Amino acid sequence: KAGVTQTPRYLIKTRGQQVTLSCSPISGHRSVSWYQQTPGQGLQFLFEYFSETQRNKGNFPGRFSGRQFSNSRSEMNVSTLELGDSALYLCASSLKAGSYNSPLHFGNGTRLTVT
Amino acid sequence: GDSVTQMEGPVTLSEEAFLTINCTYTATGYPSLFWYVQYPGEGLQLLLKATKADDKGSNKGFEATYRKETTSFHLEKGSVQVSDSAVYFCALSPGGSNTGNQFYFGTGTSLTVIP
Repeated sequence: KAGVTQTPRYLIKTRGQQVTLSCSPISGHRSVSWYQQTPGQGLQFLFEYFSETQRNKGNFPGRFSGRQFSNSRSEMNVSTLELGDSALYLCASSLKAGSYNSPLHFGNGTRLTVT
Repeated sequence: GDSVTQMEGPVTLSEEAFLTINCTYTATGYPSLFWYVQYPGEGLQLLLKATKADDKGSNKGFEATYRKETTSFHLEKGSVQVSDSAVYFCALSPGGSNTGNQFYFGTGTSLTVIP
């Protein structure tokens, strides 16, 4: 069974630009979450989607947005990039949302560098 | 709110030494607890989990017991190997269908095992 696939693996963007990251979950998984990982802040929750609906959102500005498609694939978008947005963005899928026995399965992440 | 506090690193051990990484949590309900491991350049991999009090999760020689009375989930391994060098994250899932599937992660503990 294929794991969580994130594309692209690396991105270099300039301040003010926007970027879209893509995530394909494990087949059959309907919940997709996004996390930002930085050395200073660790893993911070961005948002979670289940059946195309955003169920939960972390404490990030409105420049960060996401969506989920009917096939469970998800994208996240960051507009008006700032230097502080440089991070590893991790996507994770799980079989069920809010289930005790539903761990997150992570992709290898997209490394975004903003210059 | 829900949170995880994890032992600060980095930790350096000699091969075959005993490993303990401390993790304590704060939760309002009955969470599930997890340990994840991250190797350089990769996403997080599930190492083990426990879904209720007194459960013991185990995998690849690692163990952790869900202690409700001390709100702890310490990771242990009797004899570490060089290949165990990685960053370890303790995580909590509040569970319950109304809360989505947001996980709370500790700050990570970097482990280096020297031959």
